[in-house]
Amino acid sequence: RKEVEQDPGPFNVPEGATVAFNCTYSNSASQSFFWYRQDCRKEPKLLMSVYSSGNEDGRFTAQLNRASQYISLLIRDSKLSDSATYLCVVSPGTASKLTFGTGTRLQVTL
Amino acid sequence: GAGVSQTPSNKVTEKGKYVELRCDPISGHTALYWYRQSLGQGPEFLIYFQGTGAADDSGLPNDRFFAVRPEGSVSTLKIQRTERGDSAVYLCASSPDREGTGELFFGEGSRLTVL
Repeated sequence: RKEVEQDPGPFNVPEGATVAFNCTYSNSASQSFFWYRQDCRKEPKLLMSVYSSGNEDGRFTAQLNRASQYISLLIRDSKLSDSATYLCVVSPGTASKLTFGTGTRLQVTL
Repeated sequence: GAGVSQTPSNKVTEKGKYVELRCDPISGHTALYWYRQSLGQGPEFLIYFQGTGAADDSGLPNDRFFAVRPEGSVSTLKIQRTERGDSAVYLCASSPDREGTGELFFGEGSRLTVL
């Protein structure tokens, strides 16, 4: 079983739609959680950290369920520019070894 | 520039050859990471340096892979006797400190193709 599992997609949604991605992780000792974004043929970039209480950054909301070892990302009012691969990332608690999922590809269309 | 710089951006080599990939991290960043990414996959951890020392090299796939960071800044990833399965994008990232925010700053990668 992979340490971090994601549905690879692609998710094809129209502009303005709300879309949610999920991710599960296997190491119950994991302490830090993140979503990274990767555009085609570009490097990954941090989108947001994920906290137990849930957190929001504009149109993006991240949730963590430690009991179920499950992380989610919700994007509201999708824009064409949101088209990218979203990588779920888990860490043991320091920045020492971030483990990435395979990523979920999102394509937002007109 | 102020970002992580990786060279070469593209490298094509033949099976069995030796390859070196270089990473110049953001100035002042003490932590440096190497990942590799194959098509359709997420980045796969290889090795992490804190300063000059390898703090975690558990991701190196075998003894053909080796990395150094002799002065705590620039790092070189070395691959001996390359195999076709080594073909991937090799990503370097840096971050400011050990207990970071989880934000790794990635370079654009070195795309390695082994023929």
